[in-house]
Amino acid sequence: GQNIDQPTEMTATEGAIVQINCTYQTSGFNGLFWYQQHAGEAPTFLSYNVLDGLEEKGRFSSFLSRSKGYSYLLLKELQMKDSASYLCAALGNDYKLSFGAGTTVTVRA
Amino acid sequence: ETGVTQSPTHLIKTRGQQVTLRCSSQSGHNTVSWYQQALGQGPQFIFQYYREEENGRGNFPPRFSGLQFPNYSSELNVNALELDDSALYLCASSFPTGPDTQYFGPGTRLTVL
Repeated sequence: GQNIDQPTEMTATEGAIVQINCTYQTSGFNGLFWYQQHAGEAPTFLSYNVLDGLEEKGRFSSFLSRSKGYSYLLLKELQMKDSASYLCAALGNDYKLSFGAGTTVTVRA
Repeated sequence: ETGVTQSPTHLIKTRGQQVTLRCSSQSGHNTVSWYQQALGQGPQFIFQYYREEENGRGNFPPRFSGLQFPNYSSELNVNALELDDSALYLCASSFPTGPDTQYFGPGTRLTVL
C-alpha cells in the first residue's frame, strides 16, 4: 500500500519562506509530484522529482531524498495568491499516483 | 489551462440514482485516470484507462465503472449512489507507463442528497 504524510496546515507572512514536508512509503517508487490546488479548482502541476536533490523553478523548489522517503516543497517570496492546498503525490511501481491529504497554506499580509 | 475538460461542472443526485461523468483528455494523451476527492482530502485513485482498457484500479467498489473511447475521451459511471459519493471527481490525462505528468481537468462536483 501507499502512505503519504504531510502537515495539515501552515501559515506564513507575505514575502516569507515556507517549507512543506512530505514523507512517503510506497510499493516501488517512480517519482514524487507536487501539485497546487486552489479551493474548488483542479490540482495544477508544480514539480516532479525522481532523483535525489533539489529542483528549482522560480519561487518554488522541490527536494527529494529517496533513501529517507522524504520530500519538501519550498515556497519563497510568498504572495497572497500562494494561499492554496499543496498536494504531495508519489508514483508507485504501477505508475499510479497516491496523494497525501494536502497542506493548506495561508499567507497573511 | 491543461486542455482537459470535464462535464458537467456540478451535479445533484439522490441516493440510489446513477450518474455518468465525462472527460476529454489533452490532445495526444491516451491515458485517463479518475480520482475522487472528498472535502479536505487528497484525490483518491479510482481507476485508469489506457487505449480503451482498464489499466489499474484503486479501492473502489464495482458500482464505480468506466469507459474509454477511441478518441481517448472517458466516462465514469457510478451506480446506486450513496451519500458518501458526494465529492469532486477529477480526471487526469497523461502518456502511459511512465512518470509523465498527469494534467487534471476542472472536475465535476457531485452532491448526493
